[in-house]
Amino acid sequence: QVTLRESGPALVKPTQTLTLTCTFSGFSLSTSGMCVSWIRQPPGKALEWLALIDWNDVKYYSTSLKTRLTISKDTSKNQVVLTMTNMDPVDTATYYCVSGCVDAFDIWGHGTMVAVSS
Amino acid sequence: QSALTQPASVSGSPGQSITISCTGTSSDVGGYNYVSWYQQHPGKAPKLMIYDVSQRPSGVSNRFSGSKSGNTASLTISGLQAEDEADYYCSSYTTSSTWVFGGGTKLTVL
Repeated sequence: QVTLRESGPALVKPTQTLTLTCTFSGFSLSTSGMCVSWIRQPPGKALEWLALIDWNDVKYYSTSLKTRLTISKDTSKNQVVLTMTNMDPVDTATYYCVSGCVDAFDIWGHGTMVAVSS
Repeated sequence: QSALTQPASVSGSPGQSITISCTGTSSDVGGYNYVSWYQQHPGKAPKLMIYDVSQRPSGVSNRFSGSKSGNTASLTISGLQAEDEADYYCSSYTTSSTWVFGGGTKLTVL
């Protein structure tokens, strides 16, 4: 059974860097065909894909946010980390960790709410 | 990458069928058969309902079906049930090696 769980701060200040950790089980990110994405959803708004890392350590980023994002994996710990620099109140959202590659995002974590406020 | 276009809301009565459209471009929906649909109930994480345009994951009711024509994908829900009331999002892979979501559609079961 695949599960994913997000962890990180609930509140960050403007201009700070956000670091989120996804801890997963039920699969290995060293297995061919496995990928993990980060997707966010501001309150009352639509989903937005942020970044994806695959089993070969190839990384993909949202065009509009790529200068602020870094995704990485620690296969031995079954973790994926997302950092987002220069946080702004508009980045307030629920951040989801999700498994799945090109064709779909199949298993979602519960999400972690991050507020950006001074 | 612009978001895919979905109607803001649709509604239907129990037992009826509804269709939600998702319009993109030849750079996303029209260019790949990597369209997926997600159901999201209030306060919950999204759930995958359709992948690869028309494939259903194990456990998803066969009342849910997907299709695509040109740059527009569609999700059809037949035999509407109260539990289908939720927000629905489409998503597509793009030529930029990124993924894009639609703006979401709120389904109301009357």
